Amino acid sequence: EIVLTQSPGTLSLSPGERATLSCRASQSVSSSYLAWYQQKPGQAPRLLIYGASSRATGIPDRFSGSGSGTDFTLTISRLEPADFAVYYCQQYGSSPYTFGQGTKLEIK
Amino acid sequence: EVQLVQSGAEVKKPGESLKISCKGSGYSFTRYWIGWVRQMPGKGLEWMGIIYPGDSDTRYSPSFQGQVTISADKSISTAYLQWSSLKASDTAMYYCARQAWGMDVWGQGTTVTVSS
Repeated sequence: EIVLTQSPGTLSLSPGERATLSCRASQSVSSSYLAWYQQKPGQAPRLLIYGASSRATGIPDRFSGSGSGTDFTLTISRLEPADFAVYYCQQYGSSPYTFGQGTKLEIK
Repeated sequence: EVQLVQSGAEVKKPGESLKISCKGSGYSFTRYWIGWVRQMPGKGLEWMGIIYPGDSDTRYSPSFQGQVTISADKSISTAYLQWSSLKASDTAMYYCARQAWGMDVWGQGTTVTVSS
C-alpha cells in the first residue's frame, strides 16, 4: 500500500499570497496518477488536479500541480478567500487508492 | 448533468445491518469505476474500495476488506455499500464518487450514526 504524507499539516497565509502544499509518496506513483482535492466544511470533496498536473473542469488557473515519482506539489498562486479549506492528495495508480492525511489552509 | 445521488441519513444500533446506495445519472454507469470513501467526524478521507459496474469487479482497501461489502446493480445504475453488523466506530460520513481520472464526480454523502 502506498502511504501519502502531506505537509505542512496546517498552512496559515493571507489572501493574495502564494500557497505551496506538498504530498510525498512512500513509493513511486505509477504514471503520475496523483490527484488533488479541496474540501470545505459540510461539503463533499472537489477534484482540482488529476494526472499530477492537469486541472479538472472549471478549476481556475491559479491552481497548478506538479511533480512525479514520489514528490508532488499543489500551488495556489494568489489566494482568494474561497480557497481556504482542507486539501487532500490521492494516488490512483495502485490499489488501494490511498489519500494523504490532508493540509488545512487557514487565513492568517 | 452527470451526478451521483446517495440515499439519506441513517441511525442504527450496534449489531444491525445496513445498505446505503449511490445512483448515477447523466453518463454511462457501466463504464466507470465507483469508489466509496469514509470520513469519520473531524477526520480525513479514507478510501474504502471500488467497483466496476460493468462486470462487478471489486477492489477493497485492506483496512475495510471483510468489514463491508461493495456491490452494484447496473440495471438501475446504482452502487451499494453494506454492513452485516454495524459498530459504533462505523459512525461517519460515507461518500461515493466516480473514479475516472481522479474522483471527478461525488455524491452528496450519507451520514451513518451507530449508537445504542
